[in-house]
Amino acid sequence: DTAVSQTPKYLVTQMGNDKSIKCEQNLGHDTMYWYKQDSKKFLKIMFSYNNKELIINETVPNRFSPKSPDKAHLNLHINSLELGDSAVYFCASSLTGFDQPQHFGDGTRLSIL
Amino acid sequence: GENVEQHPSTLSVQEGDSAVIKCTYSDSASNYFPWYKQELGKGPQLIIDIRSNVGEKKDQRIAVTLNKTAKHFSLHITETQPEDSAVYFCAAGNNNDMRFGAGTRLTVKP
Repeated sequence: DTAVSQTPKYLVTQMGNDKSIKCEQNLGHDTMYWYKQDSKKFLKIMFSYNNKELIINETVPNRFSPKSPDKAHLNLHINSLELGDSAVYFCASSLTGFDQPQHFGDGTRLSIL
Repeated sequence: GENVEQHPSTLSVQEGDSAVIKCTYSDSASNYFPWYKQELGKGPQLIIDIRSNVGEKKDQRIAVTLNKTAKHFSLHITETQPEDSAVYFCAAGNNNDMRFGAGTRLTVKP
């Protein structure tokens, strides 16, 4: 069974469009995260959610919005996509907070045309 | 949170040799130091971690050392194998925050 699954794996779209990436974890973890990995492989945290409550929000544009319908899901919505949004986006989860091992999904490669 | 510096950015070794990756951190509140391995097309996977009350931890061919005073921690891989080739990330943080290093691309030549 896949612990952290995110869909789609690839997303190619036009500039200005709105898109969503879904993430689900079946580990029973309390905290979920979204990361952006750029072309140089640098991992930058975007959001984390603990029991449906946003507990950290790095300086990302407000075009990005996380939505958590329940503890097992944390979806990422992106409005008005820009060229600079092209990257690989990773979802992750951990048992409680940042001081626990994080389990990552396999990523969504977003390409903006 | 503050930055985590990781060196080297690329590392190439012969199969059977050892590989060492070093990281430094600046936030004295950091108490958890995980290491992740990322293979091509996959997400990072935890390979070993260490907490601030421990100086060294070993798991088969992988070991991590921590020097809290100097704010240094290192990953040691012995008897490297081609399947160890990947990008490795260190991280430092606590319950409220976690910062990743920029990654080291390790290549093990057969």
